[in-house]
Amino acid sequence: GENVEQHPSTLSVQEGDSAVIKCTYSDSASNYFPWYKQELGKRPQLIIDIRSNVGEKKDQRIAVTLNKTAKHFSLHITETQPEDSAVYFCAASGGSYIPTFGRGTSLIVHP
Amino acid sequence: AAGVIQSPRHLIKEKRETATLKCYPIPRHDTVYWYQQGPGQDPQFLISFYEKMQSDKGSIPDRFSAQQFSDYHSELNMSSLELGDSALYFCASSLGLGLGNEQFFGPGTRLTVL
Repeated sequence: GENVEQHPSTLSVQEGDSAVIKCTYSDSASNYFPWYKQELGKRPQLIIDIRSNVGEKKDQRIAVTLNKTAKHFSLHITETQPEDSAVYFCAASGGSYIPTFGRGTSLIVHP
Repeated sequence: AAGVIQSPRHLIKEKRETATLKCYPIPRHDTVYWYQQGPGQDPQFLISFYEKMQSDKGSIPDRFSAQQFSDYHSELNMSSLELGDSALYFCASSLGLGLGNEQFFGPGTRLTVL
């Protein structure tokens, strides 16, 4: 089955800095990679996703890059704001319709 | 826009009791997924249903069962509850069972087993 590794587990940045979260996956059949943001006690919410026929996707301050050869994908948040503080999960699916989640990154943005 | 509805939002049970969690998907969504999330952990997939049939099975204990009804709502039945079952249980729904079909998560049910 799929195995998704996510790093770092905790990321602390100053407001206005950039944040980068990296994930690797094992199943070469995976071709859909969503990113979720989860605030404490709340539901995971999809913030951006990328499919394997695309190398990069951007939505305002958020971007995701995908390197299929190396089997890794990254989330980039620019100009971070305190409200970006949350746990971010990457996921991968392809061989199965069910996404395999990474362990999560706790992002803390200090004002 | 209508979202996924879960009930109850909070549930407290004693060990060895049973619990039933309900999920009402977004209208027209025909696929439902159940996840369990322990404190500080990622969501663990339990089971999913497409068009009222079980489609995938994850790490769902034998003590748990689930089904999807004709109106597409789903129920997760949990018996012989254990302390370790205390967690957030999320239901998600999607339109169709396909790769890249976005899953919309419900607000979750927080189950506490005492």
